[in-house]
Amino acid sequence: EVQLVESGGSLVQPGGSLKLSCVASGFTFSNYWMDWVRQTPGKSLEWIGEINTDGSKTNYAPSIKDRFTISRDNAKSTLYLQMSNVKSDDTAIYYCNRLFAYWGQGTLVTVSS
Amino acid sequence: DVVLTQTPPTLSATIGQSVSISCRSSQSLLHSNGNTYLHWLLQRPGQSPQLLIYLVSRLESGVPNRFSGSGSGTDFTLKISGVEAEDLGVYYCVQGTHAPLTFGSGTKLEIK
Repeated sequence: EVQLVESGGSLVQPGGSLKLSCVASGFTFSNYWMDWVRQTPGKSLEWIGEINTDGSKTNYAPSIKDRFTISRDNAKSTLYLQMSNVKSDDTAIYYCNRLFAYWGQGTLVTVSS
Repeated sequence: DVVLTQTPPTLSATIGQSVSISCRSSQSLLHSNGNTYLHWLLQRPGQSPQLLIYLVSRLESGVPNRFSGSGSGTDFTLKISGVEAEDLGVYYCVQGTHAPLTFGSGTKLEIK
């Protein structure tokens, strides 16, 4: 069974940093591109970015480019989202997903002083 | 960025009723490789989104066949033929043809 489990969400101050993780199981992680998507409270979904199978290529949404970094460790079947210089608008539930077919349960990031 | 406009924003249906949701794109979603990367997701209350339809009309494994997708270019439709109670939630279209990927604003399906 395919499972994606996110962790690392917490309360962080504006301007701070946070690293989210997504542990994958039930499939060969290194064979798939992976994405991060977020959902702000009561609002729609927003694509953050994606990473290719070996981690050599990433694409990002313009709204977060240069502040967030996606990486992966195929040996650990883990996807990461490094968030820096966070803003109040980054408050959201963050989901990892595999080509929209499989999603984690999400992890909540709250940016507030 | 490609803007996906979903209508209606809210839909109220009785059990057994057939309903349709429209998703219109600000640009053609036909990729140069011949595929159209338009997909439909359902987010039930308190849950993560799930994939219903991919590449316009292909039913994701395990999804009931009362769900169907159609369309081309800039106009797409999700149809539910005979709504069931478990279908309540918010439906999103999402495009992957043009970077960055973008989502529609959602259509909330309520059961009368």
